[in-house]
Amino acid sequence: EAGVTQFPSHSVIEKGQTVTLRCDPISGHDNLYWYRRVMGKEIKFLLHFVKESKQDESGMPNNRFLAERTGGTYSTLKVQPAELEDSGVYFCASSQEGSTSGRRGSETQYFGPGTRLLVL
Amino acid sequence: LAKTTQPISMDSYEGQEVNITCSHNNIATNDYITWYQQFPSQGPRFIIQGYKTKVTNEVASLFIPADRKSSTLSLPRVSLSDTAVYYCLVVPKAAGNKLTFGGGTRVLVKP
Repeated sequence: EAGVTQFPSHSVIEKGQTVTLRCDPISGHDNLYWYRRVMGKEIKFLLHFVKESKQDESGMPNNRFLAERTGGTYSTLKVQPAELEDSGVYFCASSQEGSTSGRRGSETQYFGPGTRLLVL
Repeated sequence: LAKTTQPISMDSYEGQEVNITCSHNNIATNDYITWYQQFPSQGPRFIIQGYKTKVTNEVASLFIPADRKSSTLSLPRVSLSDTAVYYCLVVPKAAGNKLTFGGGTRVLVKP
C-alpha cells in the first residue's frame, strides 16, 4: 500500500511569488491534515479535512494560505504571496475514519515526507 | 489539550536500552499517550500508543503508571538507525483530532 506522498519535495521561491504544495493521502483515508514546522519551531497544525470539507482550519496563519481538497482525494496548499517567514517544512498526514492504534485507541495519522519550502 | 514535557536530548550507545520519560500532568480521562518517531528528512511515524499500564510492540514498550501523569518509552537494544527525534503526544480518543507536537527528544545512538 502506498503511503502519503507530497510534491514537490523541495521548493525555492522568491518573496511575493506563489507556491502550490500537493498531498496525496493514503487511498481511502477520509481525514487529511496539514502541518508545518518553521525554522527552530515545533510542528504546528494548520488544518484538517474530512473528505472535501474543512473540519478545522484554526491553525492557518493568515489569508495568504489557501487549502483545497476537491473531490475528497488529494489536497493542495497554496501560499500567495509567499513571505520569508513561510519558509519551513510542510507535512501532510492522513487517517482513516474510525481506525485506531489499538482496540480502543485514538486514530493513527500517517505522515508524508514533507515539502521543504524556502522563500528568499 | 494536555501539555507534555520531555528531555531535549539523550545520548546512548548501540545495544543499550533507551528510556525516555514524558510528563503530562493535565492528561484527561479520554486521552491516549502516543509516541511518534521522526528521522531526518522524513515525516513523523507512529510507533506506540497506550492508555494505562504497559504496552509492547515490535518496536518499543510504553510504561504508564496508575496516575497517568507520566509515561516512559523504552527502546530495547538500540542501533544506530534508532537515532531520531521521539515525540510524546497526548491524543483524545475521538477521531479527527489534530496532533499537538512539543519539542521532542533527540536521541543519538553512538557506535
